[in-house]
Amino acid sequence: QKEVEQNSGPLSVPEGAIASLNCTYSDRGSQSFFWYRQYSGKSPELIMSIYSNGDKEDGRFTAQLNKASQYVSLLIRDSQPSDSATYLCAVNMGLDSNYQLIWGAGTKLIIKP
Amino acid sequence: NAGVTQTPKFQVLKTGQSMTLQCAQDMNHNSMYWYRQDPGMGLRLIYYSASEGTTDKGEVPNGYNVSRLNKREFSLRLESAAPSQTSVYFCASSEEAAGEGYEQYFGPGTRLTVT
Repeated sequence: QKEVEQNSGPLSVPEGAIASLNCTYSDRGSQSFFWYRQYSGKSPELIMSIYSNGDKEDGRFTAQLNKASQYVSLLIRDSQPSDSATYLCAVNMGLDSNYQLIWGAGTKLIIKP
Repeated sequence: NAGVTQTPKFQVLKTGQSMTLQCAQDMNHNSMYWYRQDPGMGLRLIYYSASEGTTDKGEVPNGYNVSRLNKREFSLRLESAAPSQTSVYFCASSEEAAGEGYEQYFGPGTRLTVT
């Protein structure tokens, strides 16, 4: 059974601090890794994709991938109240199917003003 | 450019009734997906269509059928609704991004209640 694990939270972070969200996955063949943000009552929105080991930065967001340890993380710098949402980690199903993603249950992030 | 659209936004059904959820995308994507999301759980794939003319079962296909009408449209049908199908349903589409992975883009969702 291929799995993606996330801490459900809630993770509470003061405004202006760095929020760190983590995700582990079971399939060593996975090649594509995604972070989605989902506000309450809304649909998931893609915020970062990463395909190679190391860091990828986009504005206040940094995705980090370590394939050897099978984890991917998302850092949010200078956290804002508008960052309060559930963050979903998704990983492709490796060699079985590049189209399909395996989803974590999400981490609820709360930014305290 | 509307992205992915879904209709209806809300629906209440009685047990045993049938309905079709509609999804359309205007991004010229080949692949489309139907998910359900239940409280406290991740997205679960119901069916997907890797390309026009093909459909495949996902993790939770029982009680559902799909039709890939053309490249733009992918519908989900509940033939005989059950209370266990009360959920939020999301349609998504994807295209390979620069030879790497398939980034999925979601519609706004349909909130379905079966009584």
